[in-house]
Amino acid sequence: DQQVKQNSPSLSVQEGRISILNCDYTNSMFDYFLWYKKYPAEGPTFLISISSIKDKNEDGRFTVFLNKSAKHLSLHIVPSQPGDSAVYFCAASGVGSGNTPLVFGKGTRLSVIA
Amino acid sequence: DGGITQSPKYLFRKEGQNVTLSCEQNLNHDAMYWYRQDPGQGLRLIYYSQIVNDFQKGDIAEGYSVSREKKESFPLTVTSAQKNPTAFYLCASKPRARDYEQYFGPGTRLTVT
Repeated sequence: DQQVKQNSPSLSVQEGRISILNCDYTNSMFDYFLWYKKYPAEGPTFLISISSIKDKNEDGRFTVFLNKSAKHLSLHIVPSQPGDSAVYFCAASGVGSGNTPLVFGKGTRLSVIA
Repeated sequence: DGGITQSPKYLFRKEGQNVTLSCEQNLNHDAMYWYRQDPGQGLRLIYYSQIVNDFQKGDIAEGYSVSREKKESFPLTVTSAQKNPTAFYLCASKPRARDYEQYFGPGTRLTVT
């Protein structure tokens, strides 16, 4: 059973517009969420994170929103740039600490069209 | 330069052969992880180690083995028992087991024919 789900395998957005990537989770014990960005044939790089005690975290063009009651988080990128084209993974950790390995979703491939 | 290195970038093996993938980090991180990426499958955890001389199975450990004799090294052996070994393998680490953010290496693409 998938505990972290990214239901959209791909997303295309025009340059300059907003990209919204979604992630759902099933385990209510998750208390920390992260987004990673991955280019082909490279390792993922950390993008932004959010603790379950917050509902929003912002870093430049990237904002993550968390809706605990819906067990849903989203990553907003605005404005989108061609260099943002990559696969984005949502990850979750929990049970009160980071001792458990991250659980990853299957990823969403974002294509930003110039 | 501090970081995680995985070598080689591309690896080719014949079916039936064991192969060991290297992962080294000079970040003084306690915890290390091995993931496998397949198209449409995301990142699946193979093995992880939170301290030296200790490791645990992840979700898809069958056909793999690891060792953690040194803090900076966490090699992964893909054995002939692994039914579908062709994949992109990623090593990761984090400073302490209780930290959240993991840092990834560049990956090794293994092709078995």
